[in-house]
Amino acid sequence: SQKIEQNSEALNIQEGKTATLTCNYTNYSPAYLQWYRQDPGRGPVFLLLIRENEKEKRKERLKVTFDTTLKQSLFHITASQPADSATYLCALDAGDTGRRALTFGSGTRLQVQP
Amino acid sequence: DGGITQSPKYLFRKEGQNVTLSCEQNLNHDAMYWYRQDPGQGLRLIYYSQIVNDFQKGDIAEGYSVSREKKESFPLTVTSAQKNPTAFYLCASSDQPPYEQYFGPGTRLTVT
Repeated sequence: SQKIEQNSEALNIQEGKTATLTCNYTNYSPAYLQWYRQDPGRGPVFLLLIRENEKEKRKERLKVTFDTTLKQSLFHITASQPADSATYLCALDAGDTGRRALTFGSGTRLQVQP
Repeated sequence: DGGITQSPKYLFRKEGQNVTLSCEQNLNHDAMYWYRQDPGQGLRLIYYSQIVNDFQKGDIAEGYSVSREKKESFPLTVTSAQKNPTAFYLCASSDQPPYEQYFGPGTRLTVT
């Protein structure tokens, strides 16, 4: 069955460092992958979308890579700030299954220490 | 001001009662979605709709029902058949295909 894995343990880093979060998937052939940020008690907010034919995407301090051979996406936040503390979710489309909806990973909580 | 609204923010019900959660969007999106989120977990898809008068079951549709009579509205009914309805419910919308999704603020349902 299709499965998305994100590190369930919280990631704690010092302010100014680069945070790297991982999203691994199995039994998928997604056309694109998305990353969202979720703060406690709120709905997720879209951050970045990367397509299967793109290796890397950047937006300000954010960078996403997508390796369809390894079936993995890495999400980087450079020069991290305490305000970046949140849970980050990856989401994949269903590829060629015909299901027109995203499947979300369980998320990784990032804590940036001042 | 474009966006998605969900109401109410908090909802309390007694076991055995059906309850309907509201979701409205003015983003002119064709597709709408309902998710359930339990503490410390990710989002699980309940139902989704790509177009008015059409909807599909997600991964955990049992005990839930939806309707899509208008493009702007996608209400979710949690029926008494849902075994464990206490959760945080999120509604979202997007353009076709499922590109970036815009989420509402969520409704926290507590059933006792």
